[in-house]
Amino acid sequence: SQKIEQNSEALNIQEGKTATLTCNYTNYSPAYLQWYRQDPGRGPVFLLLIRENEKEKRKERLKVTFDTTLKQSLFHITASQPADSATYLCALGGNNRLAFGKGNQVVVIP
Amino acid sequence: ETGVTQTPRHLVMGMTNKKSLKCEQHLGHNAMYWYKQSAKKPLELMFVYNFKEQTENNSVPSRFSPECPNSSHLFLHLHTLQPEDSALYLCASSQEGGSGNTIYFGEGSWLTVV
Repeated sequence: SQKIEQNSEALNIQEGKTATLTCNYTNYSPAYLQWYRQDPGRGPVFLLLIRENEKEKRKERLKVTFDTTLKQSLFHITASQPADSATYLCALGGNNRLAFGKGNQVVVIP
Repeated sequence: ETGVTQTPRHLVMGMTNKKSLKCEQHLGHNAMYWYKQSAKKPLELMFVYNFKEQTENNSVPSRFSPECPNSSHLFLHLHTLQPEDSALYLCASSQEGGSGNTIYFGEGSWLTVV
């Protein structure tokens, strides 16, 4: 069956350090992968898209990698700040449809 | 401020009530969606409308009835819900046919069924 796995445990990280989240998937062949941020009680907000033929994408302090052989994406927040505390969702895309993971919470400690 | 607005933000309803959730998108998109988000579960796609025609219904119980009068508005009519239907209901829109279907979400409607 198709699965998208994100760590269910919250990632607690010291301010200024790099937070790294993992998204693993099975039985998918996504054309692209996206990352979203969700704050409590709010809708998810799009952050980054990376296509199957791209290895890495950056946007300000965010970096995403996509390894279609390992079926894995890594999401990095460099120089993390308390304002980065949120839940981050990965989503696999193809045929105009997105399938979401459960999300991984990040808590940045001042 | 989001380009997708949902009302009401919070709704408490009894199991015998009839209520509706409303969504409006101001982004000129051609596709609109209803998602359900429950605690500890991934986002569940409920319905998809493309050019106001329903293109997907993911085995959603008939007590949820969507309506899309035009490509900017989407409703979710609720009738005889169960307590397990309590969740955050998210409306979203996107421009289908592009090269990466980015979804734009509303703030959600928190539904509590008592």
